[in-house]
Amino acid sequence: KQEVTQIPAALSVPEGENLVLNCSFTDSAIYNLQWFRQDPGKGLTSLLLIQSSQREQTSGRLNASLDKSSGRSTLYIAASQPGDSATYLCAVRPPRGSTLGRLYFGRGTQLTVWP
Amino acid sequence: DTAVSQTPKYLVTQMGNDKSIKCEQNLGHDTMYWYKQDSKKFLKIMFSYNNKELIINETVPNRFSPKSPDKAHLNLHINSLELGDSAVYFCASSKGTSGYEQYFGPGTRLTVT
Repeated sequence: KQEVTQIPAALSVPEGENLVLNCSFTDSAIYNLQWFRQDPGKGLTSLLLIQSSQREQTSGRLNASLDKSSGRSTLYIAASQPGDSATYLCAVRPPRGSTLGRLYFGRGTQLTVWP
Repeated sequence: DTAVSQTPKYLVTQMGNDKSIKCEQNLGHDTMYWYKQDSKKFLKIMFSYNNKELIINETVPNRFSPKSPDKAHLNLHINSLELGDSAVYFCASSKGTSGYEQYFGPGTRLTVT
């Protein structure tokens, strides 16, 4: 059974720092990996989706990498801002044709960026 | 315009009651999901429907019954509520089942007293 781990569980940094959030998964047979952001009391917002054949995806100040063979993904946030404060969740999707769209989530990294 | 909406946003009820949570998506997606996020923030899938057909049914007590009247709606009915049912329930949708991005609703915080 797929298990997803996110380290660290919490991170507090000053504004302007570049930071890296880590995600690891036990079964390297994945179809894709998705990073989400969750604000307190809100739903999840999809940030980046990386297909298993891709090595990285970029959106603005965010860059996500995927090393499928080692079961790892990182989310890099450049020049962090207080508005980036949220919980970041990593989720993996099993191979196409199996489990029909099911996502396996990590427990998230709670990020606080202070001014 | 809200893509995935849920009602109610908050639900406080007593043990033993029956309650429903509604979900609607206006994205034209074929697949909808219910997830449960427990007190430790762990998100786990409960059900998934594709074109109104149940395709994922995790190990969930049969007190939980999803219903999909049409592709745009997926409701969750819970019978005989228990304290352990307290959680945030998220609805999500995607274009299809294979590898598409999932879009989440704002969540329904259920508190059972």
